[in-house]
Amino acid sequence: AQTVTQSQPEMSVQEAETVTLSCTYDTSESDYYLFWYKQPPSRQMILVIRQEAYKQQNATENRFSVNFQKAAKSFSLKISDSQLGDAAMYFCAYRMDSNYQLIWGAGTKLIIKP
Amino acid sequence: DTAVSQTPKYLVTQMGNDKSIKCEQNLGHDTMYWYKQDSKKFLKIMFSYNNKELIINETVPNRFSPKSPDKAHLNLHINSLELGDSAVYFCASSHYGQKNSPLHFGNGTRLTVT
Repeated sequence: AQTVTQSQPEMSVQEAETVTLSCTYDTSESDYYLFWYKQPPSRQMILVIRQEAYKQQNATENRFSVNFQKAAKSFSLKISDSQLGDAAMYFCAYRMDSNYQLIWGAGTKLIIKP
Repeated sequence: DTAVSQTPKYLVTQMGNDKSIKCEQNLGHDTMYWYKQDSKKFLKIMFSYNNKELIINETVPNRFSPKSPDKAHLNLHINSLELGDSAVYFCASSHYGQKNSPLHFGNGTRLTVT
């Protein structure tokens, strides 16, 4: 069965610095999608970035980028130039190829120190 | 022009009562979901409907009954509310069959059972 693991329950970073949130997954599928979502204190779930397994190039969205290592089944999120508004829970998710259901990690709470 | 809207935002009620949460999306998606987020922020899929047809029905007490009158609406009715039902409930939507289609979430309904 597919699983998604976020091994860091909480991370903190100084404002303007770079932080990397880790995510690993387990699957036997060859093609799939991976997503990072952000949930700020307002509790809204916001898509941050997505990556298709067949694309070798790492996805980038402004200050957010991923380090996708397919063989290692790793999908980490890098946030550059951290801002106070980046403080949130970050969830990694894997979309199953069989029924398109999302498998979610437990989340990482990111704290930004001013 | 809210994409996924759910009401109410907050719901406080007593044990044993029956309550409903409504959800509507105007994104033209054909699939809608109900998620439960517990106090530890863990996201758990409850139900999913594709074109008004139930496609995911996780192990959820039968006190929870979803209803999809059309593909733009998915409501959740809860009978005989229990303390353990207290959580944030999220509605979401996406395009079924499109692996790159992210979930779009409503802002959540915080249910408190006293």
